[in-house]
Amino acid sequence: DGGITQSPKYLFRKEGQNVTLSCEQNLNHDAMYWYRQDPGQGLRLIYYSQIVNDFQKGDIAEGYSVSREKKESFPLTVTSAQKNPTAFYLCASSTRASGGYNEQFFGPGTRLTVL
Amino acid sequence: SQQGEEDPQALSIQEGENATMNCSYKTSINNLQWYRQNSGRGLVHLILIRSNEREKHSGRLRVTLDTSKKSSSLLITASRAADTASYFCATDVRGSTLGRLYFGRGTQLTVWP
Repeated sequence: DGGITQSPKYLFRKEGQNVTLSCEQNLNHDAMYWYRQDPGQGLRLIYYSQIVNDFQKGDIAEGYSVSREKKESFPLTVTSAQKNPTAFYLCASSTRASGGYNEQFFGPGTRLTVL
Repeated sequence: SQQGEEDPQALSIQEGENATMNCSYKTSINNLQWYRQNSGRGLVHLILIRSNEREKHSGRLRVTLDTSKKSSSLLITASRAADTASYFCATDVRGSTLGRLYFGRGTQLTVWP
């Protein structure tokens, strides 16, 4: 089955720890994205990548880092510098089309809680 | 910001009724997309309407786009309890080749049996 997966589904972090959220897609999409969603809020873009070994900061990149070593994978690290990391994290991917990009496909999300 | 804004924030209706949600945005777009999110899940793409289109249908969904007013509406006809979810609009900004979307805060739709 083609799709986008995220793991783990739930993640608990102690203060001061770095944690890495996994995102994998087998859709052969070039572009991948990380969003943060807080309760009752919309999605805010953390980082995005259009090609391997290249990525750009979104609107709330501080305290986060990413890598894009493979087309299929776009892991997100939440560092200890992120002061309020408790949130729902969503990964997405899309493919380029004439005149822009097509729709984004989303993973099921990772809920991160800081203890 | 380019963020789309949905209106209303919450909508509660009975099964069988129609549900209309609106989205306004600020700058020119390549396309506007609507997504659905069930509680605690990822988003699911519903429909994409390009800037040169005015109306689009998909099953019970009807989307309109008025670029002169920078607004869009999503109509769900004959709503079902299973339509209960949050609905988001997202815009792809004209001139951008980056593929990022700008999401609104969403409309929470509740359909009562």
